[in-house]
This record gives sequence, structure tokens and C-alpha cells, in this order.
Amino acid sequence: QVQLVESGGGVVQAGRSLRLSCAASGFTFKTYGVHWVRQAPGKGLEWVTFISNDGNIKYYIDSVKGRFTISRDNSRNTVYLEMSSLRPEDTAVYFCAKDHDNGSGEFDYWGQGTLVTVSS
Amino acid sequence: EVVLTQSPATLSLSPGERATLSCRASQSVDNFLAWYQQKPGQAPRLLIYDASNRATGIPARFSGSGSGTDFTLTISSLEPEDFAIYYCHQRDNWPPLTFGGGTKVEI
Repeated sequence: QVQLVESGGGVVQAGRSLRLSCAASGFTFKTYGVHWVRQAPGKGLEWVTFISNDGNIKYYIDSVKGRFTISRDNSRNTVYLEMSSLRPEDTAVYFCAKDHDNGSGEFDYWGQGTLVTVSS
Repeated sequence: EVVLTQSPATLSLSPGERATLSCRASQSVDNFLAWYQQKPGQAPRLLIYDASNRATGIPARFSGSGSGTDFTLTISSLEPEDFAIYYCHQRDNWPPLTFGGGTKVEI
């Protein structure tokens, strides 16, 4: 069965960096795009970034452009989210989500999320 | 950016009742609208994709309708496990992908 497991969350001071990982299994990883979606405490869902199956196409929400970088290692079935210059407003649970295809924009499977807390 | 507006923010109902949730888009998203269910401490779960198609394993009491800018999620008869937050999401015009603010269905 499809599984996505996030890791790397924690408490970090504003201005510092953190790297999240999303380890995938149960499907042909190199065929599908992957997204990160976040949810601030008590708030709704916010799409953050997308990477295509081969890593050549990447999209970001405006608020993280220049600060966050998405990447993937198809030999390790893992997607990464490198977050730098973190701000208190980046505090959220970060979910990785599998794209239904390779850029459909539809999330068919989600991980359980990892909490990032940015302290001021 | 496509803005999705969900209403009502909260729906207070009893088990067995019918729930009708609305999602309105700021511009047409054709039928590229999905619905997700989220329970506390859990990841969202895909219920409906492309406005009216139930995802794998989703019970028939969940149905979606609409196209263009106005969409509806209907739960025909609420089960105790259906009390949760529901989000709509559009993928017609992206990036960015966008979500509605959510509707909480409470007892």
C-alpha cells in the first residue's frame, strides 16, 4: 500500500534552516510528482510546493520563493524540503502528498505530517 | 489566484441528517474541484475528485456536484464518523493550488 512518511520537523529559531524528508513506498516513485502542503495550528490547508517526477519542474507559493527548495532522490524514494530564513508564520504541520499523476494537481495520498515550530 | 469560499463555516447536525456543504470559486475551475475530509490529528483524505467522482473506498453517502464556480458536497445521512472538517480544493489553474477555508460538521 502507498505510504508517505515525513520526518525532520522540530523547533527552530527564526532565521535558521531546517530540512524535511518524505520517504515514499508502495508505488513507482519515479513516475509521480509530489507536493508539500502545510497547515498552521488551528488553520486551514495551504499548498506550498510541487516537484515533478524527474525533478525538472518545481513550483512554489509566493511566500516561500527564494527561501524553500524542494528536491528529490529517486534512488532513495525520498523528497526533501529545504527551508531557510524561517519565519514564525512558517509554523505548521507539513504534509507531503503524492500527485495523482505527474502534475495533475490532485493529491491522492498524504503522509501524517511533521510539525515545524519557528520561535521568535 | 483562484479563491475558494466555503459555506457555512460550521454545520451543526445530528446523525442521520443530510449535510449540504458549498464551495464557490472566484473564477471558473471547470470540474477540477476536489473535496477532502480531515479529522483532528490526521491527514486529509480525498473524498471526491473532479467535482463528482468518489475516490476509492469512499461510501456512497458522499456525493459531489457542480461545475464552473459553484460546487456542493452532500452527505446523505450522517454517520458518527463523518463529523469532521471538509475542504474543497481546485486544480484547474495552478500554481498556486488553492483550498477553501473549510466547513466543520459538528454534532
